[in-house]
Amino acid sequence: GDSVTQMEGPVTLSEEAFLTINCTYTATGYPSLFWYVQYPGEGLQLLLKATKADDKGSNKGFEATYRKETTSFHLEKGSVQVSDSAVYFCALPAQNSGGSNYKLTFGKGTLLTVNP
Amino acid sequence: GAVVSQHPSWVICKSGTSVKIECRSLDFQATTMFWYRQFPKQSLMLMATSNEGSKATYEQGVEKDKFLINHASLTLSTLTVTSAHPEDSSFYICSASGWWPGETQYFGPGTRLLVL
Repeated sequence: GDSVTQMEGPVTLSEEAFLTINCTYTATGYPSLFWYVQYPGEGLQLLLKATKADDKGSNKGFEATYRKETTSFHLEKGSVQVSDSAVYFCALPAQNSGGSNYKLTFGKGTLLTVNP
Repeated sequence: GAVVSQHPSWVICKSGTSVKIECRSLDFQATTMFWYRQFPKQSLMLMATSNEGSKATYEQGVEKDKFLINHASLTLSTLTVTSAHPEDSSFYICSASGWWPGETQYFGPGTRLLVL
């Protein structure tokens, strides 16, 4: 079935360092791809998404490009801040058990810690 | 983006009691709502998918008689943990979306349940 494989980490960086979190997917067709972020003790927030090949999603300085040829959707940020410390999840839609709806299939999450 | 709320944000209960968690979409009509469970430092595990006005679809291994889900309106879904036991202690997160697979799921802030 459709799935995502995500770099597990944890990742520890100094402030202003460059960030890459790898995500590759296996899917039938060309689903939308998502990055979600979870801050400590909170639910998930949509960070960015891309709906078709070659689309670039961006938000808060984060970017990810939907690359069909490498089946990847890597998350990048040029200069991280302490406030970016969180868990990041890559996700794509897949049919649920009943076949009537589309659930999100998540990667295992990558814990990012940014030190001052 | 769309806002999803959950209530309560945390709850402590005695073993054997039932606990109800509400999930509301505040500024949009959610055709579909999802209930997830998250263990510490792990990814989200989908428990069930509910469509407004119909029975929920449970994922394999999730006890439907223990985790009762009701999606009575386009803005409200409830999860009731019946006869709770300590092993039900977890972080429960809901999300809401439309029915199209490319649509974004918007997540609630989560409910932390502790069963004593």
